[in-house]
Amino acid sequence: EAGVVQSPRYKIIEKKQPVAFWCNPISGHNTLYWYLQNLGQGPELLIRYENEEAVDDSQLPKDRFSAERLKGVDSTLKIQPAELGDSAVYLCASKREVQETQYFGPGTRLLVL
Amino acid sequence: SQQGEEDPQALSIQEGENATMNCSYKTSINNLQWYRQNSGRGLVHLILIRSNEREKHSGRLRVTLDTSKKSSSLLITASRAADTASYFCATAASYGKLTFGQGTILTVHP
Repeated sequence: EAGVVQSPRYKIIEKKQPVAFWCNPISGHNTLYWYLQNLGQGPELLIRYENEEAVDDSQLPKDRFSAERLKGVDSTLKIQPAELGDSAVYLCASKREVQETQYFGPGTRLLVL
Repeated sequence: SQQGEEDPQALSIQEGENATMNCSYKTSINNLQWYRQNSGRGLVHLILIRSNEREKHSGRLRVTLDTSKKSSSLLITASRAADTASYFCATAASYGKLTFGQGTILTVHP
């Protein structure tokens, strides 16, 4: 089966600009996650979706970050406006409802100048 | 915030040697998982051990879990250069949510 797809793989923007990341999970995976990974650190959860419902967004900085998963499949994560400290890798992961293993995409590496 | 602390932060060994990485955590868990991340890539699931299990094997991997000490170890036997990667433990305290440690960077020299 195809893995989790993320685009773009790399993005360079100037601070205060908006940016969006896209994720296509593995077919049939109803749970989708967005993680933030800083250099030298493990991933930190931003938001978790069960189908189209955001069930855990407590770590999402809602003043500048937003996410959506309108049809319960693809998802988009947006930052507006971006800050220098947002430079990181943004990982998307998915899993089936009954699974405990998460499957990760390759990530989007964001650099904010 | 990250629950797990991993030790060592970096490990450098020769091919053929064994590599041991440790993970400590703070709260009760349902299961603990280990993931590998190659440079510039996403994470790949290696093995899961449940809170009622003490040891689990998968190929060259051996994982132990001591819930009384809130710690786990990952042993990779007969390491290969291809094992060079970052290794993360992740704890599941509630359904569907993983909390990752900071990782151990393993370098295996040919």
